[in-house]
Amino acid sequence: EAQVTQNPRYLITVTGKKLTVTCSQNMNHEYMSWYRQDPGLGLRQIYYSMNVEVTDKGDVPEGYKVSRKEKRNFPLILESPSPNQTSLYFCASSPGQGLGEQFFGPGTRLTVL
Amino acid sequence: AQKVTQAQTEISVVEKEDVTLDCVYETRDTTYYLFWYKQPPSGELVFLIRRNSFDEQNEISGRYSWNFQKSTSSFNFTITASQVVDSAVYFCALSEEGGKLVFGKGTKLTVNP
Repeated sequence: EAQVTQNPRYLITVTGKKLTVTCSQNMNHEYMSWYRQDPGLGLRQIYYSMNVEVTDKGDVPEGYKVSRKEKRNFPLILESPSPNQTSLYFCASSPGQGLGEQFFGPGTRLTVL
Repeated sequence: AQKVTQAQTEISVVEKEDVTLDCVYETRDTTYYLFWYKQPPSGELVFLIRRNSFDEQNEISGRYSWNFQKSTSSFNFTITASQVVDSAVYFCALSEEGGKLVFGKGTKLTVNP
């Protein structure tokens, strides 16, 4: 089944404790991206990757890191999480350099205390 | 810079009414893509349509139709004869070459029986 998977789906953590949210796709898509969704703000792009070893900042990259060592994986790293990073996070992949339909993962709900 | 505006934060209609969701975008590029996504109460993001900047033809898919007008930078979405299952948050999004994707803040549609 073609899909984007994210883990964990739910996470409660404390300020400053490094965490990684994994994202994996099995559709051989070049493009992958991370978004956060907050009430009243819609979806905002954090980082995106057009291909392996190529990453770029979206609109809200502060406090996040990503890496794209393999085509299928695009982990989101929070080195020192803060409460303002409490949010719902979505990973997505897309064929065609981000100009095609985005296939979204199920979301990760993160709470930073 | 890219920008997507969905001025309607919430809309409430009665079943079988027609409803139009507005989307206005800003971009300096001549090549870009516009999208609509649906987020039902269950939380997943569902792709509805993609339209490129060179194709101004309106599209109809069942009860859904989209009106793309470059002259007014709008890409509006109409649901005809709305149903309770149409209740969701709807997002309009804009993608330019280069990979950045910008979403509007979303319109929450409630269809009452």
